[in-house]
Amino acid sequence: ETGVTQTPRHLVMGMTNKKSLKCEQHLGHNAMYWYKQSAKKPLELMFVYNFKEQTENNSVPSRFSPECPNSSHLFLHLHTLQPEDSALYLCASSQEDRPSGANVLTFGAGSRLTVL
Amino acid sequence: QKEVEQNSGPLSVPEGAIASLNCTYSDRGSQSFFWYRQYSGKSPELIMSIYSNGDKEDGRFTAQLNKASQYVSLLIRDSQPSDSATYLCAVKGDSNYQLIWGAGTKLIIKP
Repeated sequence: ETGVTQTPRHLVMGMTNKKSLKCEQHLGHNAMYWYKQSAKKPLELMFVYNFKEQTENNSVPSRFSPECPNSSHLFLHLHTLQPEDSALYLCASSQEDRPSGANVLTFGAGSRLTVL
Repeated sequence: QKEVEQNSGPLSVPEGAIASLNCTYSDRGSQSFFWYRQYSGKSPELIMSIYSNGDKEDGRFTAQLNKASQYVSLLIRDSQPSDSATYLCAVKGDSNYQLIWGAGTKLIIKP
């Protein structure tokens, strides 16, 4: 496996379900991100972890719960979602110790979430 | 609130011509600027970064930055159908990990 891997690629869930998105990076990067991408809207940063410590939480509702057990793995736990949460959820990683390295993101293929 | 603005397009350009994509930003203090390309159904990938006023060239791509006017542009010379994608402009935010994103410009290169 190379790059950033996300599973599942597609997920359909009801509003009362609990599910999780998984991300794994094979690049040796120190920072990992969750972004939300909705049609015709800018990417929204949700969470950032640096060396498995959360450094950013952009006022994300508590129905989204991140978990970063180590620098290579990142999870997004989903619970009691709303239909407006339907979107593409992108995981990314970066290496901070290069010039502007934190902003040079490598993205995974994304998890397409549909909330019924 | 800091913003990055892009024309959503689609921008249609004939093959072989120059495609010009523009982006404006609201924070005069911004220092780092990025262009990402996103093919339909795929994830974004970095194609250019620029930090100083002026032009930066990389193959067929040229990024242009004008901090006084608060705009950054991307020129694609000798456009190819494979350049058809959505181009996302991003500007470094306040924190080290934050990027302020535009909504993207859809570019279509017509053979």
